[in-house]
Amino acid sequence: SQQGEEDPQALSIQEGENATMNCSYKTSINNLQWYRQNSGRGLVHLILIRSNEREKHSGRLRVTLDTSKKSSSLLITASRAADTASYFCARGGGSEKLVFGKGTKLTVNP
Amino acid sequence: SQTIHQWPATLVQPVGSPLSLECTVEGTSNPNLYWYRQAAGRGLQLLFYSVGIGQISSEVPQNLSASRPQDRQFILSSKKLLLSDSGFYLCAWSNIKGAVFYTQYFGPGTRLTVL
Repeated sequence: SQQGEEDPQALSIQEGENATMNCSYKTSINNLQWYRQNSGRGLVHLILIRSNEREKHSGRLRVTLDTSKKSSSLLITASRAADTASYFCARGGGSEKLVFGKGTKLTVNP
Repeated sequence: SQTIHQWPATLVQPVGSPLSLECTVEGTSNPNLYWYRQAAGRGLQLLFYSVGIGQISSEVPQNLSASRPQDRQFILSSKKLLLSDSGFYLCAWSNIKGAVFYTQYFGPGTRLTVL
């Protein structure tokens, strides 16, 4: 499959804890993106990391990329109940298309 | 600013009936447009994408079709729905042609239930 694969499939943590989600892929990329989806809603773009970057930050989000291992991780620090959502990685190969993974369902308990 | 609309928000249709879902984008011109389907608790499956009026690329062979009659309008259709067509349909647009990176912006989705 060309899809990215996130793990874990589901993650449940307490408010204030950090949440780490991982994404692996099989083919080459020129960028990798992370999206968030609240239940029953559309996806929202969170962050894009280029293939020549190793780490990127945006607020409480930290994304890393290891192209040698074909993997990326998304870290959410000091999680809040409002962070409860599904998180998807999407692989960009330079064309108009993105290939989305199956997502990690994050539950942050108050 | 750009906005993307989808309608209807929810739809319940009998097997064998036709389907028409509409997506429109405002505030941008000549966007790339995409239709995805998401089964319950699953990832996104790209169905169609379009880089311009009348230009449609199909990713998955099925009984669905797409059309782009206007620059910022994308329509998903079926002549006869199957039970397996149930799901959450998402429309998205992405930015300028010739960009190196294509971030996608999603609409609110249409929940389709085929009975």
